Amino acid sequence: DIQMTQSPSSLSASVGDRVTITCRASQGISNYLAWYQQKPGKVPKLLIYAASTLQSGVPSRFSGSGSGTDFTLTISSLQPEDVATYYCQKYNSAPPSGTFGPGTKVDIK
Amino acid sequence: EVQLLESGGGLVQPGGSLRLSCAASGFTFSSYAMSWVRQAPGKGLEWVSAISGSGGSTYYADSVKGRFTISRDNSKNTLYLQMNSLRAEDTAVYYCAKALTMIVVVSSFDYWGQGTLVTVSS
Repeated sequence: DIQMTQSPSSLSASVGDRVTITCRASQGISNYLAWYQQKPGKVPKLLIYAASTLQSGVPSRFSGSGSGTDFTLTISSLQPEDVATYYCQKYNSAPPSGTFGPGTKVDIK
Repeated sequence: EVQLLESGGGLVQPGGSLRLSCAASGFTFSSYAMSWVRQAPGKGLEWVSAISGSGGSTYYADSVKGRFTISRDNSKNTLYLQMNSLRAEDTAVYYCAKALTMIVVVSSFDYWGQGTLVTVSS
C-alpha cells in the first residue's frame, strides 16, 4: 500500500510568515492529493484537491503544488485563524484508498 | 444545504458489534460515493471505507477488512457501517464524508458529518 508522510510534524511561525508543509507519497499518485485543515474540536475542512485546485471559499493565501510523489501546501501569510492541524490525503490512485498523512500542527509563535 | 448526520455510536465490549448510520440531505445522494473516516482520541485521520453511488463497489482499509462492511440505502439517503469483532484500537470518532466529485469512488471529501464516538472497552 502507498504510505503518506508529512514534514514537519509541527511548526511555530509568526503572523505574516510564509509557511510550507511537505507531503510525500511512497509511490507516484499523479495529482490525486488533497489537503485538509482541522481546527481543535472541529471537523476537517477541504482546502485543496487535485494537488493545486483551491476549494471554493478557501482564502487565496492557501496554495498547493506538486505531482507524483512530492507535494507542498503553502500559506503565503500566516493568520491567527490558521492555527490548526493540516493533513494531506491520497485518493483514487491504485490501489483505491484514501490514506491520510500523519498531520502537521501549525501554531503561532 | 448539504447535511450529514451520523448516529449509532456508543460503548461496546471487545469482540462486539455496532452499526453506524449517516443520514444525508441536500444533494442527490445516489450520485456520489461516500466514505467513512475515523479519528482516534488525540490522533490523526484514518480513512476506513468507501462505497460507490450505486453501492456496487466497496473499498476498505487493511485495518478493518473482513470485520467492517459499508453499505447504503439510496431510497433512504442513508449510509451505514456495520462493525464486527471490534477491538480497543477501533475506538474513535467516526465521520461520514461525501465525495467531492461524481467520478471516483475514493475521492477527496467536501462535506463531513459531525461524527459519532465509538468506544470499545470492557
